[in-house]
Amino acid sequence: DVKVTQSSRYLVKRTGEKVFLECVQDMDHENMFWYRQDPGLGLRLIYFSYDVKMKEKGDIPEGYSVSREKKERFSLILESASTNQTSMYLCASSSSTYYQPQHFGDGTRLSIL
Amino acid sequence: AQRVTQPEKLLSVFKGAPVELKCNYSYSGSPELFWYVQYSRQRLQLLLRHISRESIKGFTADLNKGETSFHLKKPFAQEEDSAMYYCALFNYGGATNKLIFGTGTLLAVQP
Repeated sequence: DVKVTQSSRYLVKRTGEKVFLECVQDMDHENMFWYRQDPGLGLRLIYFSYDVKMKEKGDIPEGYSVSREKKERFSLILESASTNQTSMYLCASSSSTYYQPQHFGDGTRLSIL
Repeated sequence: AQRVTQPEKLLSVFKGAPVELKCNYSYSGSPELFWYVQYSRQRLQLLLRHISRESIKGFTADLNKGETSFHLKKPFAQEEDSAMYYCALFNYGGATNKLIFGTGTLLAVQP
């Protein structure tokens, strides 16, 4: 069974801090994704990566960056956290084979004070 | 533009009643669609995909290309079906494959 692990379930940070969210998958998937999930807005794609050191912007990349130094690990970075980045963050991975589903982690609920 | 629309934010039904969660899509190619479910305090997980033509937990979904719909149906709702449901469209982009999600529908099954 695919396992996508996010480093924290809950995180509280202060405005202006640099925040790191970590995600690890164990299925050798090529693709990895970061979403934020907000009530009424569904899942919005922040960034994704289809290979080591490769990244592409999603729909809402502003204020975020990512890092993928190893195939199994995909990090989301909030360069200078702001209160409007308080949200649930979901990491997902998938095979690059056509029409394969994404597998999600448990999510990190991030609060920026 | 590719888009997924779930018109209902909340759907409340009684136990034993039929359920239909609506999903409409806009896509220029041949669509491939999924339904995902998120139970309370659990991770988002795949419920079913149209290409499999399967029934999972009593749910089915038929792709209707004429109406550009992929509605999720269950003849008799159970309390344990209460969850957030997302419809998603597979977007093949060559180098990577993305999913376009709808905004979700919260299903509440009353006893």
